[in-house]
Amino acid sequence: DQQVKQNSPSLSVQEGRISILNCDYTNSMFDYFLWYKKYPAEGPTFLISISSIKDKNEDGRFTVFLNKSAKHLSLHIVPSQPGDSAVYFCAARAAGGTSYGKLTFGQGTILTVHP
Amino acid sequence: EAGVTQFPSHSVIEKGQTVTLRCDPISGHDNLYWYRRVMGKEIKFLLHFVKESKQDESGMPNNRFLAERTGGTYSTLKVQPAELEDSGVYFCASSQAWTGSEAFFGQGTRLTVV
Repeated sequence: DQQVKQNSPSLSVQEGRISILNCDYTNSMFDYFLWYKKYPAEGPTFLISISSIKDKNEDGRFTVFLNKSAKHLSLHIVPSQPGDSAVYFCAARAAGGTSYGKLTFGQGTILTVHP
Repeated sequence: EAGVTQFPSHSVIEKGQTVTLRCDPISGHDNLYWYRRVMGKEIKFLLHFVKESKQDESGMPNNRFLAERTGGTYSTLKVQPAELEDSGVYFCASSQAWTGSEAFFGQGTRLTVV
């Protein structure tokens, strides 16, 4: 049973426009959410995160929104740049448990930004 | 400062053979994680070390997988004997803090079992 889902395998946007990547989760114990970015032949790189006590976190061109009641989060990139083209993974961390650092990832969304 | 490094970057082995993957975490990072991504699907947690102790190995698929972290420095992940379904990209990550938010990932080892 997949607890973190990214239902869009791919997204294509024009340079300068907004990119919106979505993520849904099912586990109510998740209390911290992260977005990672991955280029081919590289490992995932941390991008931005949000605690469950917040509904928005912004870092430059990147903003993450969290809707706890809907168990949904989204990553907004404005303006999108060709260098943003990569695979974006949504990840979540559960409170408690034996391994608080354990992350549960979604399947990833391939973002392509066209010049 | 060197990042997380993994060896080898690629490995192609035959079914039934043994393969050992190595991860060198960032110096000073007590927490070390192994993850795996199979066939373009989600990245799945395998296990978590705190120093040399296994904190959580709930994600290990079966007893053909053995992870060690002797001395609390580098870690190895051995697959013996390898099966076709073990193919995928194995990622190692390390963090200084107890949380995954500060985890830095290596470039991964792509394992192909034929």
